[in-house]
Amino acid sequence: ILNVEQSPQSLHVQEGDSTNFTCSFPSSNFYALHWYRWETAKSPEALFVMTLNGDEKKKGRISATLNTKEGYSYLYIKGSQPEDSATYLCAFKEGGTSYGKLTFGQGTILTVHP
Amino acid sequence: NAGVTQTPKFQVLKTGQSMTLQCAQDMNHEYMSWYRQDPGMGLRLIHYSVGAGITDQGEVPNGYNVSRSTTEDFPLRLLSAAPSQTSVYFCASSTRRGSTEAFFGQGTRLTVV
Repeated sequence: ILNVEQSPQSLHVQEGDSTNFTCSFPSSNFYALHWYRWETAKSPEALFVMTLNGDEKKKGRISATLNTKEGYSYLYIKGSQPEDSATYLCAFKEGGTSYGKLTFGQGTILTVHP
Repeated sequence: NAGVTQTPKFQVLKTGQSMTLQCAQDMNHEYMSWYRQDPGMGLRLIHYSVGAGITDQGEVPNGYNVSRSTTEDFPLRLLSAAPSQTSVYFCASSTRRGSTEAFFGQGTRLTVV
């Protein structure tokens, strides 16, 4: 079983704060790292899929970086808004013949207070 | 666009009953999978399929059965429900490569009493 860890488990911030959280994954046999946003009572939706060491992706106020050599990815949210409250999941895709199989971290629960 | 359609949304079962969770996708994705989500544990893989007629076990397969007779459909069967199977279940589909995003169904909240 692959070890994918996210920290912190939960985070409370005030509206307007910037925040970041971490996903750590195996540094060997890397293929891709996914980030998903999961709102309560909805299904997870993809934010980013990153495949190259040093990749940086951005979508509005949310961005992510990737370091495959040391096995970590950061997700940043600039100027948090209450609608950013959600669980953020990362998922590791191993290389080789594991096809689309993803191993998920346990998630970071973000609550943004007005 | 329908995407991934998962039914039912809610279900209550008695211990020992069986049921099937339905999952269908219309994106011609080769890879389909079932996850369960329990508090503090993220999404854990139950079973997956890389194409019609091909299935394999994930991390937590015991008590569940799957089949993939068509590219579109990937039902999950609970053979004899147990309280430990109380969970939220998600079906997902993607291309085989894993370098593109996975699409999730709406989820099924299952309670076994």
